[in-house]
Amino acid sequence: NAGVTQTPKFQVLKTGQSMTLQCAQDMNHNSMYWYRQDPGMGLRLIYYSASEGTTDKGEVPNGYNVSRLNKREFSLRLESAAPSQTSVYFCASSDPGGARRDTQYFGPGTRLTVL
Amino acid sequence: EDKVVQSPLSLVVHEGDTVTLNCSYEVTNFRSLLWYKQEKKAPTFLFMLTSSGIEKKSGRLSSILDKKELFSILNITATQTGDSAVYLCAVVPAGGTSYGKLTFGQGTILTVHP
Repeated sequence: NAGVTQTPKFQVLKTGQSMTLQCAQDMNHNSMYWYRQDPGMGLRLIYYSASEGTTDKGEVPNGYNVSRLNKREFSLRLESAAPSQTSVYFCASSDPGGARRDTQYFGPGTRLTVL
Repeated sequence: EDKVVQSPLSLVVHEGDTVTLNCSYEVTNFRSLLWYKQEKKAPTFLFMLTSSGIEKKSGRLSSILDKKELFSILNITATQTGDSAVYLCAVVPAGGTSYGKLTFGQGTILTVHP
């Protein structure tokens, strides 16, 4: 049981390049999330997916797109990377119907640098 | 807009000390408050609190919620170097269009020296 996995762990991009961050969970959770974490700012929600087939914007969605490929996988795409998107990105999942329905479980993160 | 403020932002103590971390919040429709510990990588879940006055405990860690005064505290007794981490507080809204949109505080960086 791996929990939430993310790839890649590290990435360096040049301004204008595109890339996709991958996330998968094996806990059969319905809901999945993408956050970014910047120094002194905690975690901020980029996009989330309440269930397979649905996605919605979070606090900081500009410059990102997401795809909920199936129940297990939720990807985050940067179409034209900018230096302001340098950050650590975390994927998370939760089971809204479970006993710990509000608890989100996080992946190990992707450290992205945009030059 | 929902808001979560943690204090202090950083704290340095010695092993054996007791620390209290604070989390105050403003949220339109409150459902629960979560505490996480973040070491080098992913935040890991500590506590979920939904009712005032109910203290959650896990070993040397404990937490309590005050829904009237809109704050929570996380206590760590007899600190150890392994407690060094960033402690994050997050509030969970009651649902509707806010479903799943956790709001996190900035975090408290705790450093425990031997």
